[in-house]
Formats: sequence, C-alpha cells, structure tokens
Amino acid sequence: AQSVSQHNHHVILSEAASLELGCNYSYGGTVNLFWYVQYPGQHLQLLLKYFSGDPLVKGIKGFEAEFIKSKFSFNLRKPSVQWSDTAEYFCAVNALRGSTLGRLYFGRGTQLTVWP
Amino acid sequence: SQTIHQWPATLVQPVGSPLSLECTVEGTSNPNLYWYRQAAGRGLQLLFYSVGIGQISSEVPQNLSASRPQDRQFILSSKKLLLSDSGFYLCAWSTGRAWNQETQYFGPGTRLLVL
Repeated sequence: AQSVSQHNHHVILSEAASLELGCNYSYGGTVNLFWYVQYPGQHLQLLLKYFSGDPLVKGIKGFEAEFIKSKFSFNLRKPSVQWSDTAEYFCAVNALRGSTLGRLYFGRGTQLTVWP
Repeated sequence: SQTIHQWPATLVQPVGSPLSLECTVEGTSNPNLYWYRQAAGRGLQLLFYSVGIGQISSEVPQNLSASRPQDRQFILSSKKLLLSDSGFYLCAWSTGRAWNQETQYFGPGTRLLVL
C-alpha cells in the first residue's frame, strides 16, 4: 500500500523565517501530488498541486513545492512565513492507475505555529 | 462555481445510537464523491467513494456505510455507533472527467463525538 510521510509533526517559527516541510511517498509509478492547508476553524483547502511538467510548482500565498522524483519527495517551502500561516499542512499523493478515482493518500499533517 | 456542504457541523451521540451525515455538492454534475475520516493526530483516511448514483465502494471494513441517493448527495450512516467512530468526517468531490488531473475539494467537515 502507498504511504505518505511528513517528517515534522509540529514546527514552530518566528515571522519572516523560512519554511520547509518535508513530504515523502512510497509509490514507484506516476503520481499527482498535493499540499492542503487547514487554517484554524476552516475547512481543508488546496494550497498547490503537481500533475506534470515543471517540478517546481507555485501555490497560493507565496508557497511553492518541488517534486524530486528520484527522492520520492514533494517538499513545501515558503521563504518568509507570516503569523497568518499558522495552520495544519497535509501532503497528499494520488497514485495514478488510469482511473478517474483519485484515491488520495494523506500524510499525518504538520502543525505550523508562527509567532509574531 | 462549485460548493460543497456538510451537516451537521458538530454532533454528539451516545454509543449504540444511529448516525446520518449528509454531504451535498452544488455547481457540478456527476462528480466523484468521497468520505474521509480524520482522527486526532492522524492524516485523513478514505472511507468510501462513489462514481455515480447508487455506486459505493468501501476502502476499510467498519460499521459505517454510505449511500448516494442522488447525483450530488452523499450520506454516511451507521446503525450503532462505537466510541472509536469519534472523529472529524470530511466529504470531498472531484470532477471525475480527467483521470490524470483529478483534484479533490473538501467540505467543512462534521465533528462527531461518541460518548
């Protein structure tokens, strides 16, 4: 079965610090990759996604992620975090098998706390 | 634009009682629909998915069931709740039209506490 690992359970940063959240997955075939974010009291929102092409994808609010196929990784980055980035971040992988059913496999999530 | 609704937002139920959670999607037709559960400190786990009316597939064995009586309605049910059913239940949809570019969009969720 596919698995998704998020290495950091809780990350605490000060405003303006740089952020990198790790995500690794176990599936040797073609994948679609996603980062979702859940702000306090809000529902899960799509932050960015990778389908194909340029492995560096940009999302909302200044976030970006890089797909490194050889490392089975899709790490999330932001050069300078803000207090409003405090949220829980989930990495998800869709292992493509020619079906429209997107069976997303989620990591356990990383809680990011940004101190002002 | 598409929107997804879930209700109730919060539910407290005694052990052994029945459950019915509802999810509806607006602004799209014949979507793929999904139910996930998020337990505390864990990622989301896919419970059920549906590609059309009356078509339900289960990912994990449990005492929950799902139904899709209408194109854009997805219901999660249980006849008798267990303590372990407590959690945050999320409904999601995707277009079901592009096999290699499916994006799932999530509803606001229902927080269920079984006592």
